[in-house]
Amino acid sequence: DQQVKQNSPSLSVQEGRISILNCDYTNSMFDYFLWYKKYPAEGPTFLISISSIKDKNEDGRFTVFLNKSAKHLSLHIVPSQPGDSAVYFCAASPLIQGAQKLVFGQGTRLTINP
Amino acid sequence: NAGVTQTPKFRILKIGQSMTLQCTQDMNHNYMYWYRQDPGMGLKLIYYSVGAGITDKGEVPNGYNVSRSTTEDFPLRLELAAPSQTSVYFCASSWDRGRYNEQFFGPGTRLTVL
Repeated sequence: DQQVKQNSPSLSVQEGRISILNCDYTNSMFDYFLWYKKYPAEGPTFLISISSIKDKNEDGRFTVFLNKSAKHLSLHIVPSQPGDSAVYFCAASPLIQGAQKLVFGQGTRLTINP
Repeated sequence: NAGVTQTPKFRILKIGQSMTLQCTQDMNHNYMYWYRQDPGMGLKLIYYSVGAGITDKGEVPNGYNVSRSTTEDFPLRLELAAPSQTSVYFCASSWDRGRYNEQFFGPGTRLTVL
């Protein structure tokens, strides 16, 4: 039973355009959501997060949107750059004090074409 | 600041052999985690620790053991390696600053059990 799902294994976007990566979750206890970016042979690196008290969080070219009623979040990258080509993981957990037991989606491989 | 380091980078084990995956962080983080990532899948939590001497099970703990004798180190032990443990293993850490604790990941150990 996958609690966090990224239904698109891959996405190809032209440089300069918007990249939209999607993530769905089923556990209503989740109220903290993160996006991680992963290059080959490296560990995931934190990109951006959002808690359930917000519906949008921005950091430079990256914006995460949260729709709690639909249990859906998305990551927008504008404008997309070649260095954005990587695998993106959505992760979720209950928002609690202490250690976060993150549940990850399967990842979406984003390719930015020049 | 090296961040989170993991050794070895690669290892091939025979069925029934044992090994220890090493993880060290130099950020003075209280919390440390072990994840595994199977091909095409997201990361799954094996064990985590909230401080020296305190560990707890994650989603997939069977076949693994951990210990945490210092803040810096969090080794993962495989006692009787099985082919199902072929995976990439990531160690992560985070600090205690309330409820928003993004995790910092090491580069991973790729383990093959034959």
